[in-house]
Amino acid sequence: GAGVSQSPSNKVTEKGKDVELRCDPISGHTALYWYRQSLGQGLEFLIYFQGNSAPDKSGLPSDRFSAERTGGSVSTLTIQRTQQEDSAVYLCASSLESAGGRETQYFGPGTRLLVL
Amino acid sequence: GEDVEQSLFLSVREGDSSVINCTYTDSSSTYLYWYKQEPGAGLQLLTYIFSNMDMKQDQRLTVLLNKKDKHLSLRIADTQTGDSAIYFCAEIILTGGGNKLTFGTGTQLKVEL
Repeated sequence: GAGVSQSPSNKVTEKGKDVELRCDPISGHTALYWYRQSLGQGLEFLIYFQGNSAPDKSGLPSDRFSAERTGGSVSTLTIQRTQQEDSAVYLCASSLESAGGRETQYFGPGTRLLVL
Repeated sequence: GEDVEQSLFLSVREGDSSVINCTYTDSSSTYLYWYKQEPGAGLQLLTYIFSNMDMKQDQRLTVLLNKKDKHLSLRIADTQTGDSAIYFCAEIILTGGGNKLTFGTGTQLKVEL
């Protein structure tokens, strides 16, 4: 594919509902990241997947947030029992794993989540 | 800890140069990036610099890095209205657990005619 794609582009939900956000990384990229961009917090790291290694979940704000990556490609970020403070743009990025350690991350257009 | 700071707003006239500044606090940063975000769009990688460099030029863009002062700047020559966007600097620290980016607060650049 040409770049990282995310769906849906916009999501409006009611407080307390669960939502799933999808990310399709660039083909061949082994690393995948989720970030959140909100008015109060700026851009925050959420979670990182690299190959078959255990994901780095250190940025997830609560146990209502989870993510999985199936088959080393597509990833789904799930937010359970959404709260109004979850309203934000959720950005996905992917990168190659390079021997030198530099991994330029390429971002998708984001999913704009609004929790009413 | 990791903290990346930027000024929030910059206004320039079309044709002038823009300089967007960024300071970071983690001396172990290895790569530093500049991303551009246009309204309603995702993040677009503009350029990056490795921490052992002090300057990188790419067409209208010049990145300067002062590692001693932990100061990074992005200069845009001959700024155009299409350059109006939010610019984020970001640092990446190579760790065994993953290479997450830490972003600055973003600088909104407004280009006036």
